[in-house]
Amino acid sequence: DGGITQSPKYLFRKEGQNVTLSCEQNLNHDAMYWYRQDPGQGLRLIYYSQIVNDFQKGDIAEGYSVSREKKESFPLTVTSAQKNPTAFYLCASSTQGNEQFFGPGTRLTVL
Amino acid sequence: SQQGEEDPQALSIQEGENATMNCSYKTSINNLQWYRQNSGRGLVHLILIRSNEREKHSGRLRVTLDTSKKSSSLLITASRAADTASYFCATARGSGNTGKLIFGQGTTLQVKP
Repeated sequence: DGGITQSPKYLFRKEGQNVTLSCEQNLNHDAMYWYRQDPGQGLRLIYYSQIVNDFQKGDIAEGYSVSREKKESFPLTVTSAQKNPTAFYLCASSTQGNEQFFGPGTRLTVL
Repeated sequence: SQQGEEDPQALSIQEGENATMNCSYKTSINNLQWYRQNSGRGLVHLILIRSNEREKHSGRLRVTLDTSKKSSSLLITASRAADTASYFCATARGSGNTGKLIFGQGTTLQVKP
């Protein structure tokens, strides 16, 4: 089956901890994206990558970091610098300029 | 900043009725896309309409695009209880072709059986 997966489904973070969210796709898409969704809101772009070993900041990149060492993988690290990280995180992939395919999401809660 | 603004924010209808959701945006676009999200899940792509298209159909869905008014509408005909979800419009920004999308805040649709 082709698709995009995210893990874990639920994640709990203590104050001051860094946590990494996984995103993997086997759709052979060049572009991958990370979004944050707060309750009752739309999606806001954190980071995106159009090709391996390259990525750009989105609208709310502060407190987050990413890497793109492989085409299939685009992990997101939520650092301790992100003061309000509790949210639903969604990863997506696409071929350039076309529809995006989304993973099932990771719900991050700060304890 | 949010480019897409959906209207209404919430909509409740009876099964079998039609549901219309509107989206307005501010800057030039390459295309406009509609997505659906069931509660607590990822988004599912419904339909993409390019800036040179005016109307597009997919099953029970009809999307229109008016670039002069910077607006789009999504019509779901003969709604079903399973259509209950949040619906988002997203615009692909006009300059370049990065694939970046700007999402609106969504319309929450409830279809009562």
